Amino acid sequence: EDKVVQSPLSLVVHEGDTVTLNCSYEVTNFRSLLWYKQEKKAPTFLFMLTSSGIEKKSGRLSSILDKKELFSILNITATQTGDSAVYLCAVEKGDMRFGAGTRLTVKP
Amino acid sequence: DTEVTQTPKHLVMGMTNKKSLKCEQHMGHRAMYWYKQKAKKPPELMFVYSYEKLSINESVPSRFSPECPNSSLLNLHLHALQPEDSALYLCASSQFNGNYEQYFGPGTRLTVT
Repeated sequence: EDKVVQSPLSLVVHEGDTVTLNCSYEVTNFRSLLWYKQEKKAPTFLFMLTSSGIEKKSGRLSSILDKKELFSILNITATQTGDSAVYLCAVEKGDMRFGAGTRLTVKP
Repeated sequence: DTEVTQTPKHLVMGMTNKKSLKCEQHMGHRAMYWYKQKAKKPPELMFVYSYEKLSINESVPSRFSPECPNSSLLNLHLHALQPEDSALYLCASSQFNGNYEQYFGPGTRLTVT
């Protein structure tokens, strides 16, 4: 059975902290792994990763994929209160399977 | 235009009603998706349309009936729903089905009474 497992499920930090969110997967026909940020409504796209070891960066966010160990991490440096959201990891395998998400709360 | 729009934003319907959710994108994407999301849970895939043809139906009950009239529009027709069908219904699109990022609409929050 396909699995996408995120950890931790929730995390509370203070502004300026650095956080690392984890996503591990066991799926057949893996094509890519995606990270989304969901605040009140729709998930917004952050990164798509298809190759191992290549870091993707966007501002304070970065992500990397390890296809041998079947996991990905999402790093957020110098967190801000606006980073508070649920971060969803999804695996594209012909259809898209989401993990349960990590709820990040950044306190002032 | 990098937007997926959905109407209505909110919908309250009785168990005997028939209603429809609408989704539209003008990015030239050829794949469109319906997801259901319950509170504090991740989105669950319901249907995938690729080139206006249904390619994936994730064992969704027949009281949900999708329709793709053209490459920009996706509808979800609802009939005889149950209270447990109350959820946020998200539409998404991607350039093609497969290895492409999906862009999500804001969702329709459905309440079945």
